[in-house]
Amino acid sequence: ETGVTQTPRHLVMGMTNKKSLKCEQHLGHNAMYWYKQSAKKPLELMFVYNFKEQTENNSVPSRFSPECPNSSHLFLHLHTLQPEDSALYLCASSQDPTGAWGNEQFFGPGTRLTVL
Amino acid sequence: AQKITQTQPGMFVQEKEAVTLDCTYDTSDPSYGLFWYKQPSSGEMIFLIYQGSYDQQNATEGRYSLNFQKARKSANLVISASQLGDSAMYFCAMRETGAGGTSYGKLTFGQGTILTVHP
Repeated sequence: ETGVTQTPRHLVMGMTNKKSLKCEQHLGHNAMYWYKQSAKKPLELMFVYNFKEQTENNSVPSRFSPECPNSSHLFLHLHTLQPEDSALYLCASSQDPTGAWGNEQFFGPGTRLTVL
Repeated sequence: AQKITQTQPGMFVQEKEAVTLDCTYDTSDPSYGLFWYKQPSSGEMIFLIYQGSYDQQNATEGRYSLNFQKARKSANLVISASQLGDSAMYFCAMRETGAGGTSYGKLTFGQGTILTVHP
C-alpha cells in the first residue's frame, strides 16, 4: 500500500464552503506535516505534528485548522477560504522530526485545491 | 534572504548524458541536513538523496550524487545517465537545527528546477 495517501486528490470549493483534506500514512512514522505549494513559490511548511502534538504553526491563517487524532492520520479543515488559497496541499510524514539527520520526509500525492 | 537558492528555473539534457542541478544555501547553524526531492507532474514529492553537514563524503544513491562543497555552501545534484523518466521538477531543501537543538523537521525548500530530458 502506498506510504502516504491523501484524499481527495482534487477539490473545488466556494469561499463559503467548509471542507476537509485527509492524509494517512502507513509507514509507522511519528511526525506528520502539511505543506502548501503555490504556483511559482517554494513549498511552504504550514504545520508540524509530532506524536499527535502540534509543534509548529508557521503563521498560518485561522481559516486553516489542522487536526491530528493519531500518528497515522492528519486532517486540514478548511473554511471561508480565499481564491489565493488555491494551491497544491502536500502532506508528509517522517519517523521522528528531532535529532537523526537522515530522517527524510515521505510525501503524499497532494490535493489540488481550487477556491472559486 | 533566501535560505535555499536554485538559480536554474529550467534545464535541458540529452538522454544518457549527465546533468548538474545547482543549489546554494544559507545557514549559520553548524549542524544541518540537505535534501533533494523530485516532483513529477503527478505532484508527489519523491525523496532522492540526503547529505549531512558533518558527512565527510559526498552522498550517492544510484544515479544520483550530491556534490557537497561546504565552504561554498553548495549542494549540487548530479544525475548521471539521464533517462526520459527523470523529466520533473527538482527541489533542494535544508533542515537546520532549531531552538533547543531540535529541528522538528522543518524543511526549507528552494524554488525548484524543471529538468527536461530529450530523447
